[in-house]
Amino acid sequence: GQQVMQIPQYQHVQEGEDFTTYCNSSTTLSNIQWYKQRPGGHPVFLIQLVKSGEVKKQKRLTFQFGEAKKNSSLHITATQTTDVGTYFCAGHLTGTASKLTFGTGTRL
Amino acid sequence: DAGITQSPRHKVTETGTPVTLRCHQTENHRYMYWYRQDPGHGLRLIHYSYGVKDTDKGEVSDGYSVSRSKTEDFLLTLESATSSQTSVYFCASSPFAGSSYNEQFFGPGTRLTVL
Repeated sequence: GQQVMQIPQYQHVQEGEDFTTYCNSSTTLSNIQWYKQRPGGHPVFLIQLVKSGEVKKQKRLTFQFGEAKKNSSLHITATQTTDVGTYFCAGHLTGTASKLTFGTGTRL
Repeated sequence: DAGITQSPRHKVTETGTPVTLRCHQTENHRYMYWYRQDPGHGLRLIHYSYGVKDTDKGEVSDGYSVSRSKTEDFLLTLESATSSQTSVYFCASSPFAGSSYNEQFFGPGTRLTVL
């Protein structure tokens, strides 16, 4: 079954509100990547985190990688219409450097 | 964006017919991937390639085969299409850089409908 789950599946917010999506893996990940897919488009890479507990920021976006390297989160502050899309997390399961396992996605 | 194209972009076919989707990249990336995207499932890996003539199965490989005769081309074949293979198919590629985990660059997708 799906090894990387994301919640929520959908999130509707008013412009200016914050948004958070959570990514949970049943197994330890070597890294976590985040992608954004605009409606009708293709996934585009946003960022990669590798270290346990790592936090990275890109303007209004904050990405975290859990201490146990089994979960991650993406937080968007003061959402804008340009943030609309589906956000996917993806990770390399330990020992599988060639393959990414994608999460189920959260549509904002 | 990396130069990745997919053809065709849209296809409607009938159950039982063979279908081949093509992915072409101009970045000289070693790794190439085929995913399918369905509501509620995100992106699921069908097959991937780690070099010319080197391929391996992903999590949903049944009913699909692939070939890679040149670095730039990766073909996905549905030997006998079924309605359950109606989906949006994405190709992706990534460069090889030792032990680094590299991001994947995606093509525009192919919407396949099997009637």
